[in-house]
Amino acid sequence: AQSVTQLDSHVSVSEGTPVLLRCNYSSSYSPSLFWYVQHPNKGLQLLLKYTSAATLVKGINGFEAEFKKSETSFHLTKPSAHMSDAAEYFCVVSDRNSNYQLIWGAGTKLIIKP
Amino acid sequence: GAVVSQHPSWVICKSGTSVKIECRSLDFQATTMFWYRQFPKQSLMLMATSNEGSKATYEQGVEKDKFLINHASLTLSTLTVTSAHPEDSSFYICSAFLAGVSNEQFFGPGTRLTVL
Repeated sequence: AQSVTQLDSHVSVSEGTPVLLRCNYSSSYSPSLFWYVQHPNKGLQLLLKYTSAATLVKGINGFEAEFKKSETSFHLTKPSAHMSDAAEYFCVVSDRNSNYQLIWGAGTKLIIKP
Repeated sequence: GAVVSQHPSWVICKSGTSVKIECRSLDFQATTMFWYRQFPKQSLMLMATSNEGSKATYEQGVEKDKFLINHASLTLSTLTVTSAHPEDSSFYICSAFLAGVSNEQFFGPGTRLTVL
């Protein structure tokens, strides 16, 4: 069965410092992996996705994530945090075995300190 | 990119009334749409999978008579919350599945339902 674990419920960083949001997954088949961002009272926005191509995936707003099969991880990073990055981030997995239903992590709230 | 709209974006209703939420894929056809519910400060919970021309598949614990889903066309799915009560107040989000190279779900902006 698929599952997603976001290891931190909250991450707090200072503006201008690196961001690391951790995600581990389990999947029986070759998974597709996604990171979504949700700003307060806003809809979900896809940051990036991995679908069996390059393991280092670049997304919008300077975010990127690396698919590491041996570690079953898909951590999200950004070199320098901006105040506008403050939001809730969700790691998501799906595979064809589950008819592409999305399995959601619990979310990580990113707090940016001035 | 593929665009999904939801209407209304927010609704306030009295207890006991029914509320219909529409989900439309604006520039693609979606044989499958999904309905999610999100409580404050929580992740999304899949409620049901809506397939065009057939009955929806509900997740365990979701009352199908309470949350009526109709997927009448390849671009429209509706969720009707019947006899709404305050505990139904939540953020409802739909997504439309674009089959093909990406096999990706595209999300609507969500509907905030408040039942008084």
